[in-house]
Amino acid sequence: QVQLVQSGSELKKPGASVKVSCKASGYTFTSYAMNWVRQAPGQGLEWMGWINTNTGNPTYAQGFTGRFVFSLDTSVSTAYLQISSLKAEDTAVYYCARDGPAPADYWGQGTLVTVSS
Amino acid sequence: QLVLTQSPSASASLGASVKLTCTLSSGHSSYAIAWHQQQPEKGPRYLMKLNSDGSHSKGDGIPDRFSGSSSGAERYLTISSLQSEDEADYYCQTWGTGSWVFGGGTKLTVL
Repeated sequence: QVQLVQSGSELKKPGASVKVSCKASGYTFTSYAMNWVRQAPGQGLEWMGWINTNTGNPTYAQGFTGRFVFSLDTSVSTAYLQISSLKAEDTAVYYCARDGPAPADYWGQGTLVTVSS
Repeated sequence: QLVLTQSPSASASLGASVKLTCTLSSGHSSYAIAWHQQQPEKGPRYLMKLNSDGSHSKGDGIPDRFSGSSSGAERYLTISSLQSEDEADYYCQTWGTGSWVFGGGTKLTVL
């Protein structure tokens, strides 16, 4: 069965970097794009962008350019989200979501990133 | 601009039915959407893709109690025979040229 398994919670200091992983299984990884979605505490879902799992070409939503980088390791069917120069307002749960036969048809369990001094 | 509008909250009694609404912005009434459920302290779960003609395709394991329908720019999620575990946030989502858009979500309380 399709599964997206994300890495565990992270506690980081302001200015640091973090890399979140999303390991896919149960399907051919390169068949579908992978999207990233942010959920700040008590807030709704916010689309961050997506990465083409064939070409590795990323597309970033407005507000997620510069410090946010999507990448892949297709040899282990894993997508990554790296955030640099972390700020307190980056504190959120980050989800990967597959763009399958239907958009966001499978979600990772989420990774909580807490930025605090 | 592609925007989805949802009421912030809804409530219904255990065993009853509830109909949640997602409204597409002007000029986008032909768009399909997806519905997602987010139970407390959990990640979102895909429920269904809903087309403008009301046809829908549900995700794996989604009970028959969940159904979708459409009218103009409105997209509906109906949950029948409400159970306690249906208390959750429900998000609609659509997609444009290479981008996703989420509605603000509706918090459903089961009384």
